[in-house]
Amino acid sequence: ETGVTQSPTHLIKTRGQQVTLRCSSQSGHNTVSWYQQALGQGPQFIFQYYREEENGRGNFPPRFSGLQFPNYSSELNVNALELDDSALYLCASSLASGLNTEAFFGQGTRLTVV
Amino acid sequence: GESVGLHLPTLSVQEGDNSIINCAYSNSASDYFIWYKQESGKGPQFIIDIRSNMDKRQGQRVTVLLNKTVKHLSLQIAATQPGDSAVYFCAEKDTGGFKTIFGAGTRLFVKA
Repeated sequence: ETGVTQSPTHLIKTRGQQVTLRCSSQSGHNTVSWYQQALGQGPQFIFQYYREEENGRGNFPPRFSGLQFPNYSSELNVNALELDDSALYLCASSLASGLNTEAFFGQGTRLTVV
Repeated sequence: GESVGLHLPTLSVQEGDNSIINCAYSNSASDYFIWYKQESGKGPQFIIDIRSNMDKRQGQRVTVLLNKTVKHLSLQIAATQPGDSAVYFCAEKDTGGFKTIFGAGTRLFVKA
């Protein structure tokens, strides 16, 4: 186990709704990254938070937003859900936003949009 | 554009044999590469990494080879075991260091 926990593990939402996913980073880690993994594909980078600030973003629309709290836990919010948002959402924490820092992944939240 | 891809979507090996999983990348500016293992229902797990100033790195039963000339990365697993059955991803860190770019993955089946 990595020490990174995500909640909930599974979630079903209706198209147009909003969802909040949560991630507790490993103790001592100040950087959290979020990824979307569609079935049969590799994870796609959404964004990263470092010390409560967004540190970088992938090719995702603004309806994907996030927060990082003083204890370095994080939330991913998705507004106006679309069917294509159905995926496994992964959170990864690392010690610092550097090149050579190992990231530890949580088990993910499986989101189904119907 | 940059991409990280894999040559084969599935690989089937006999227990005890060595496995080789290949990966191609297109961004010559990338200088950090990682292999992850993902088991069903779990998040990716770090296996081994390599920086572009190296061409080989060994871990426990695993070896990563990097050929910068042809932009090719491989993961070798010695004496493959049933517990090695999983999807394996190669990934690269971009030059900014904050984004990890994953390939599509190779599913490894180990036959007993």
